[in-house]
Amino acid sequence: QVQLVQSGAEVKGPGASVKVSCEASGYIFTTHGISWVRQAPGQGLEWVAWISPYSGNTNYAQRLQDRVSVTTDMSTSTVYMELRSLRPDDTAVYYCARDWVAVSKGTMDVWGEGTTITVSS
Amino acid sequence: HSALTQPASVSGSPGQSINISCTGTSSDVGGYNYVSWFQQYPDKAPKLLIFDVSNRPSGISSRFSGSKSGNTASLTISGLQAEDEADYYCRSYTSSSTGVFGTGTKVTVL
Repeated sequence: QVQLVQSGAEVKGPGASVKVSCEASGYIFTTHGISWVRQAPGQGLEWVAWISPYSGNTNYAQRLQDRVSVTTDMSTSTVYMELRSLRPDDTAVYYCARDWVAVSKGTMDVWGEGTTITVSS
Repeated sequence: HSALTQPASVSGSPGQSINISCTGTSSDVGGYNYVSWFQQYPDKAPKLLIFDVSNRPSGISSRFSGSKSGNTASLTISGLQAEDEADYYCRSYTSSSTGVFGTGTKVTVL
């Protein structure tokens, strides 16, 4: 079946970096993009980034674009999201979701289970 | 792009219909037919209900429908059921080739 499996929870100090993985299976990796979405405790959803494994194109939320990057490992059908210079307000559950291949159209039909990132000193 | 504006809460009795609005600008909701709606239960990942303004993925009940007029999109839930009690988010593509979510609406079934 189609699924996205994410890496486990992480606790980081302020200023550190974190890299979250999202392994896709059950479909042809290059036929869909992957979006990243985060949700701070008790808050709403925030779109973070998108990548097309087909073209390698990426798009980032403006307020995070200086600190976030997404990459792919085609050999393992895995997408990585790295967030640098972590701040306490980066504490959130980070989700990957299957999206459209050409742009982040929002057809996010399959979601990972979420990865909790806690930033605390 | 600022978050799209949704009502904080909407409620209805079983069997009724409710509407959730999602207001943006001509640079997002009004400019593209790429509006999606998601349902989220506590501590669960969101679930896609509607994509491209009014299309339902396979397996989604026909009780959920979407529409758009100008800069405002809407989700209608007809025949409200207890299981519909959840948080709902709209989401749009933007002129910056990014995505933006709505502020979220808590639906309560009375």
